[in-house]
Formats: sequence, C-alpha cells, structure tokens
Amino acid sequence: RKEVEQDPGPFNVPEGATVAFNCTYSNSASQSFFWYRQDCRKEPKLLMSVYSSGNEDGRFTAQLNRASQYISLLIRDSKLSDSATYLCVVNRGDYKLSFGAGTTVTVRA
Amino acid sequence: DADVTQTPRNRITKTGKRIMLECSQTKGHDRMYWYRQDPGLGLRLIYYSFDVKDINKGEISDGYSVSRQAQAKFSLSLESAIPNQTALYFCATSDLTSNTGELFFGEGSRLTVL
Repeated sequence: RKEVEQDPGPFNVPEGATVAFNCTYSNSASQSFFWYRQDCRKEPKLLMSVYSSGNEDGRFTAQLNRASQYISLLIRDSKLSDSATYLCVVNRGDYKLSFGAGTTVTVRA
Repeated sequence: DADVTQTPRNRITKTGKRIMLECSQTKGHDRMYWYRQDPGLGLRLIYYSFDVKDINKGEISDGYSVSRQAQAKFSLSLESAIPNQTALYFCATSDLTSNTGELFFGEGSRLTVL
C-alpha cells in the first residue's frame, strides 16, 4: 500500500466552479501535512500547510481528518490559473516527506 | 536567478554511462535532498543530507550515489546508467529551523537513458 494515495483525476471544471479532492495516508503517526502545486514540467511549490483545525488561504481550503487519515483540498471560484497537479505531502516526523502522485485539475473557460 | 539551481536541465545518455547531476543553492539551507519523479508514482526520495558530513539513503538509493561538497552543493551520480533511471530528477532544500516542512525545489533535470 502506498503511504500517500490520491485520485489522479483529471478533474475538469469550468471557471468559477468549486472542485474538491482528497488524499489518504497510511501512517497514523504522521505529524504534518501539506499541499504542493506542480505546473506541467515545473518544480513543485508549497501551496499550503494543513492544520488540524482546517485552514483557508484565499480560495483554497484544506482540511485534515486524523481519524479517517485523509486530507482534503477545496478550490472555490476556480480560475484558469488553478490548472495544475496538486500533490499531497505527508511528514512522518523525521523530516522525510512522502508525496502522493498528484491530482490533476484542469479549469476550462 | 533561481535559489536552487540544477545542471544539466536535460540530458540524454546511453546505458552504462556515468552521469552526474549537480545542485547548488543560495538559500543557506542545511538540508538537501534528491528526488526522482515518474508518472503515476509521485516523488521518491533517493538520498538526503542534513549537513555537509551527513549523507543518508532514501527509499530508492540503489544505483545512485551522492556527494555533499559544501553546504551549498549536493550532486547525484549514476555510476552506470540504465533505462529505468529515465526520470525527472529534483534537488530540494529545507531549513533546519523551519517547522513548516517546506521544501524548495530546483527546476528539475530530465534524464533519458537509452
């Protein structure tokens, strides 16, 4: 079983729509969680950390459910520029991060 | 200029050749990492180094070696390249004192082994 699993998508949504997707992790001792964004053929970049109480950053909302071992990302009012692959990343506590394979989102005009 | 620089950005080589990918950073971070990315598999850790005298194997170190020449430089070598090492390779850094776990990536080195 992979440490971090994501629905690869693609999620094709019109501009202005809301899109949400989850990521599950296998290690219950995982301590911190992140969403990274990766544009095509580019390097991953941190989008946001995920806190236990849930957190928002503009149009992006991240949630953590420790009991069910998943995190989620919701994008409201999607923009064309949100088209990317979103990587779920889990820190087991030893500063070695485990990456999911990514969820691809395509926002169409 | 990028804070984390990888060279070469693209390389095509033949089976059995020795290849070195270089990484340098101007962020002043102690921690450096090498990852490879394959379609459908996500990024996998090859080697990491928490300071100049520290080298650690990641989950897929077989067939690779590394050298931490200085705080700012971390190179990855393939002693005898094979086709299944064809991948996109990323160098990354992180700050020892940071509690965010944020990694800063180079732009990637695309390696093709024929």
